[in-house]
Amino acid sequence: RKEVEQDPGPFNVPEGATVAFNCTYSNSASQSFFWYRQDCRKEPKLLMSVYSSGNEDGRFTAQLNRASQYISLLIRDSKLSDSATYLCVVNVRTNAGKSTFGDGTTLTVKP
Amino acid sequence: DADVTQTPRNRITKTGKRIMLECSQTKGHDRMYWYRQDPGLGLRLIYYSFDVKDINKGEISDGYSVSRQAQAKFSLSLESAIPNQTALYFCATSNREYNEQFFGPGTRLTVL
Repeated sequence: RKEVEQDPGPFNVPEGATVAFNCTYSNSASQSFFWYRQDCRKEPKLLMSVYSSGNEDGRFTAQLNRASQYISLLIRDSKLSDSATYLCVVNVRTNAGKSTFGDGTTLTVKP
Repeated sequence: DADVTQTPRNRITKTGKRIMLECSQTKGHDRMYWYRQDPGLGLRLIYYSFDVKDINKGEISDGYSVSRQAQAKFSLSLESAIPNQTALYFCATSNREYNEQFFGPGTRLTVL
């Protein structure tokens, strides 16, 4: 079993739709969590950190469920420009300084 | 100017050649990383460095070596390139144990 697992998709949604991605992690010692966005052939860029209390940034909401060991990303009112691959990233204290990346979930938003 | 730069951006080489990929950062971060990404796959860690005197192997270090010449510079070498090392290579930096990583633009390497 991979340490970090994501549904690879692809998720194909119309503009304006709400879409949610989940990411599960296996190590209960995981300490910090992030969502990154990666456009085709480009570098990953930080989208948002994920806090225990949940956090929101405009149309994006991230949540953490430690009991079930998953994090989620909700995108409301999808835009064409949201089309990308979304990577879940988990840091574990015993792997100090190293991050474990999920393989990514691909989203395509269509007109 | 970009905070994390990589050179070259694209490189085509032949089997058996030695090649060096370079990474520089102006973020003042202590930690630097090298990853490779294959089409349709996730990022895999090759090497990482917590400071100039600290170098660690990642999950796929065989066939690669690194040099941390300064806090701001971290180079990745392929001593004898082989075709299955054809991939997109990313350098990244971070400044704290749990902090987010910042990536360079990537180097697209093709080994013929």
